[in-house]
Amino acid sequence: SQQGEEDPQALSIQEGENATMNCSYKTSINNLQWYRQNSGRGLVHLILIRSNEREKHSGRLRVTLDTSKKSSSLLITASRAADTASYFCAPRGENQGGKLIFGQGTELSVKP
Amino acid sequence: SQTIHQWPATLVQPVGSPLSLECTVEGTSNPNLYWYRQAAGRGLQLLFYSVGIGQISSEVPQNLSASRPQDRQFILSSKKLLLSDSGFYLCAWSGSTDTQYFGPGTRLTVL
Repeated sequence: SQQGEEDPQALSIQEGENATMNCSYKTSINNLQWYRQNSGRGLVHLILIRSNEREKHSGRLRVTLDTSKKSSSLLITASRAADTASYFCAPRGENQGGKLIFGQGTELSVKP
Repeated sequence: SQTIHQWPATLVQPVGSPLSLECTVEGTSNPNLYWYRQAAGRGLQLLFYSVGIGQISSEVPQNLSASRPQDRQFILSSKKLLLSDSGFYLCAWSGSTDTQYFGPGTRLTVL
């Protein structure tokens, strides 16, 4: 099954700045999802981008997908202290069924 | 709307004791169900997933087992807990799309 690897492991920025997190994977995918986890809570789905899409937006979130480089990025614009959380990518490989394999995540800290 | 419940929220158990964590989903039928464990507050490890009643796939051989006695009920069990079983246990479901919806989690401490 396909696993994503997030980079950097930790990111600390000031409120108002943009935050960029990256995800790399190894084999062909059908889609790739990004999730957020606040400390001590369950994961929350943010966005899904399909393999035939290159960019997707949702509010202050922008996700890009480069299948030739097997990578994706999540950009959070005008960050807020409430964006402080861990962010995980989950690429869904072909023949993987419904299983998602999560990486270690990127821990984002937004300082007021 | 769909909701997912997990209980208990926190649990402290001695080494060697049994474990039973329960997860239930409301508002959907025939969901795919998943158990994850998260150690040290970071990466998630997929433990079990189920595509239907009585159908359980184990991802990692270990001290735990899972059962699905009803369509929307998923149970994680152990006969004898180990120290290494401590962690944050998350249940999730998915339907016709690939999106997974997570429960609030159970914090297990084995002493």
